[in-house]
Amino acid sequence: DQQVKQNSPSLSVQEGRISILNCDYTNSMFDYFLWYKKYPAEGPTFLISISSIKDKNEDGRFTVFLNKSAKHLSLHIVPSQPGDSAVYFCAASVLTGANNLFFGTGTRLTVIP
Amino acid sequence: NAGVMQNPRHLVRRRGQEARLRCSPVKGHSHVYWYRQLPEEGLKFMVYLQKENIIDESGMPKERFSAEFPKEGPSILRIQQVVRGDSAAYFCASSPNAGRTDTQYFGPGTRLTVL
Repeated sequence: DQQVKQNSPSLSVQEGRISILNCDYTNSMFDYFLWYKKYPAEGPTFLISISSIKDKNEDGRFTVFLNKSAKHLSLHIVPSQPGDSAVYFCAASVLTGANNLFFGTGTRLTVIP
Repeated sequence: NAGVMQNPRHLVRRRGQEARLRCSPVKGHSHVYWYRQLPEEGLKFMVYLQKENIIDESGMPKERFSAEFPKEGPSILRIQQVVRGDSAAYFCASSPNAGRTDTQYFGPGTRLTVL
């Protein structure tokens, strides 16, 4: 039962343009959402998070948007850079519950110079 | 480098053998999590441990799998009598406290291949 879904396995974007990565979830108990970036042969690295009490969180070139009614979140990267090329995982958790993360299947972003 | 360390990075086992995966958390971190990533899938939670205690093992298969985090030394994920379906990347994460999932720092993973 995949509670966090990333329906786009891959995305290609020109350098300097905006990258938009999407994520949907089914469990209404999730109240904390995270994005991780993963390079080959490395572990995931935390990128940005958002609590369910917010609908937007921004950190430099990275912005995460949360639409609770649609159970949807997205990660915007602008401007995209070649170094952003990686696999991006969306994850969710229940802050007051267990400490484990529920991950999506990932989207491979390729930024073309 | 004071990050999470995992060894071995690659492990090959034949069906029926045992696999032992080690995780040394960030110095000072007393919370360890194990995740498994099957091919073409996302990471899936297996077990959460604090020093000498298993807190949540709801994601770990009931048979053949066990985990420990002793008072001294690394956390160990042990898989007995491995089968081909155990082939996956196993990631360990550590955190200094509980309750904040964005403070989980991941290791580079151990890629297990069962022949």
